[in-house]
Amino acid sequence: GNSVTQMEGPVTLSEEAFLTINCTYTATGYPSLFWYVQYPGEGLQLLLKATKADDKGSNKGFEATYRKETTSFHLEKGSVQVSDSAVYFCALSGFQGAQKLVFGQGTRLTINP
Amino acid sequence: NAGVTQTPKFQVLKTGQSMTLQCAQDMNHNSMYWYRQDPGMGLRLIYYSASEGTTDKGEVPNGYNVSRLNKREFSLRLESAAPSQTSVYFCASRRQGSSSTDTQYFGPGTRLTVL
Repeated sequence: GNSVTQMEGPVTLSEEAFLTINCTYTATGYPSLFWYVQYPGEGLQLLLKATKADDKGSNKGFEATYRKETTSFHLEKGSVQVSDSAVYFCALSGFQGAQKLVFGQGTRLTINP
Repeated sequence: NAGVTQTPKFQVLKTGQSMTLQCAQDMNHNSMYWYRQDPGMGLRLIYYSASEGTTDKGEVPNGYNVSRLNKREFSLRLESAAPSQTSVYFCASRRQGSSSTDTQYFGPGTRLTVL
């Protein structure tokens, strides 16, 4: 079945550091890939997505590229801020049909000033 | 425009008690979902409803029932709560469209503890 594996957390960085959170997936067919972010006490918000190989999703300075050859969708940001502290989830789904999301376990990110 | 709302925010039950978690969306979306979030496991799909009047099982449906009351509302019922159902429950609704706009919107969650 489909599955998503994320980099183990928690991750702690200093402000303005470079961020990478690794995500790899196993899926049949050609899934869509997502990064969701969860701020403390809130529900999940879509951060970015990519729907086909070599697509790059981007939002709020975050980027991720759909790499079919390595089955990866790593999240990157060049210079993190304290306000980026949150839990980040990688997820996949088939585009056609019910869009049943399969999530990774989440990575807690803390940015220190 | 409130988006996706969930009630209650917190609930404590004793083993064997029943309760219903409520979810409503005001975005006129056809599809709605229930997920549970457990530490270290991400979110897992319990049930979903592709349209009013239809429901289907997700990855972890055992111990739950759902009702799609109308287009706005999708409730999750625990008939006989067990400690293994202690979790945070999220409802979501889906804006369907092109590949670039197709998105799920999540509610704030219900934290349930079963003693």
